[in-house]
Amino acid sequence: QKEVEQDPGPLSVPEGAIVSLNCTYSNSAFQYFMWYRQYSRKGPELLMYTYSSGNKEDGRFTAQVDKSSKYISLFIRDSQPSDSATYLCAIWDQKLVFGQGTRLTINP
Amino acid sequence: DAGVIQSPRHEVTEMGQEVTLRCKPISGHDYLFWYRQTMMRGLELLIYFNNNVPIDDSGMPEDRFSAKMPNASFSTLKIQPSEPRDSAVYFCASSVDVSGNTIYFGEGSWLTVV
Repeated sequence: QKEVEQDPGPLSVPEGAIVSLNCTYSNSAFQYFMWYRQYSRKGPELLMYTYSSGNKEDGRFTAQVDKSSKYISLFIRDSQPSDSATYLCAIWDQKLVFGQGTRLTINP
Repeated sequence: DAGVIQSPRHEVTEMGQEVTLRCKPISGHDYLFWYRQTMMRGLELLIYFNNNVPIDDSGMPEDRFSAKMPNASFSTLKIQPSEPRDSAVYFCASSVDVSGNTIYFGEGSWLTVV
């Protein structure tokens, strides 16, 4: 079983919609969870970082960790065309392990 | 700061040729990482260095791959001989520590082996 799994999409939604991106992970001992955003032909950049469980909010972005289900989510409110990118979840297991990435397109 | 600098940005080479990818990390970052990204396998860690010393190379696919960090401001990833299945985007990243919340990626080297 992969350490972290993510639906690669693609996902296409209209501007203004709420977007939900999700990953599952295998080991309940994982404590550090991250979301990276990767624009086309660029390197990934850190978007959100969460320790343990609960929610973390940053502007239109909310990261959520459900340790009982081993499920991590990223919500984007009032989505904008500039949010179109690939979103990668990652866990820290003595090194960063990334999900496959979900390609998101926000249509004007 | 200019960020992590990688070269070349694009490389097309013939099977069997040697490929050398280069990276200049952010000044003051003690950790340097090499990742490979493909559609099939996503983003995978190949190797990382701490203070120029290789710490974990368990992700290096085979002996055709080698990485060096002769000083704090320069690293290379070499593939010899190259094969079509090595076609991927290779990212270099650097960090002040080994955790995931301080890592910065370069823009990648796009390698095509024909």
